[in-house]
Amino acid sequence: SQQGEEDPQALSIQEGENATMNCSYKTSINNLQWYRQNSGRGLVHLILIRSNEREKHSGRLRVTLDTSKKSSSLLITASRAADTASYFCATDEGSNYKLTFGKGTLLTVNP
Amino acid sequence: DSGVTQTPKHLITATGQRVTLRCSPRSGDLSVYWYQQSLDQGLQFLIQYYNGEERAKGNILERFSAQQFPDLHSELNLSSLELGDSALYFCASSVAVSSNSPLHFGNGTRLTVT
Repeated sequence: SQQGEEDPQALSIQEGENATMNCSYKTSINNLQWYRQNSGRGLVHLILIRSNEREKHSGRLRVTLDTSKKSSSLLITASRAADTASYFCATDEGSNYKLTFGKGTLLTVNP
Repeated sequence: DSGVTQTPKHLITATGQRVTLRCSPRSGDLSVYWYQQSLDQGLQFLIQYYNGEERAKGNILERFSAQQFPDLHSELNLSSLELGDSALYFCASSVAVSSNSPLHFGNGTRLTVT
């Protein structure tokens, strides 16, 4: 079963625009992570946000976490064609061990 | 390059057969995770090992088994293969036993069952 659900399933934007992806989850968590995957390749870790944090930045990435709404968002600013990929959120469901991934958002950035 | 090595990259086999997928974790990482990715099911957690011991189990079928060896490499064994087992199988490693550290993924083994 999926713990995290990303929204939208697909997003198409122009280069230079911002992209926002959302993730909702069901149970309490210790942390939430975001990953990207280029087609057919392994996932690459982007950012980890702990349950006691509300916002985190890394370069052009900004992640927010609202534990009261059980949701997170990933914002990519000034997008580039190279940002085209699938983006996944992952949560630990409070388990401390396994990391459960959503089905991802497919982001297409048009040059 | 994540530092995680998976072999083979591609595997084509027939129904009913058995295959072994191999993973070498990133240097220094003690945890190994196995995931199955298919179009309809998404990325499914199968199993996690830490320093040779099983730590968490997910949606792993009884026909599948895994182990982590003393040198920390891991193998995923899939037997009595069915068409529905066709998928991308990923191995990931992390330094910690818990889920509060990033996972480093290999590039996967694409399994096709015919």
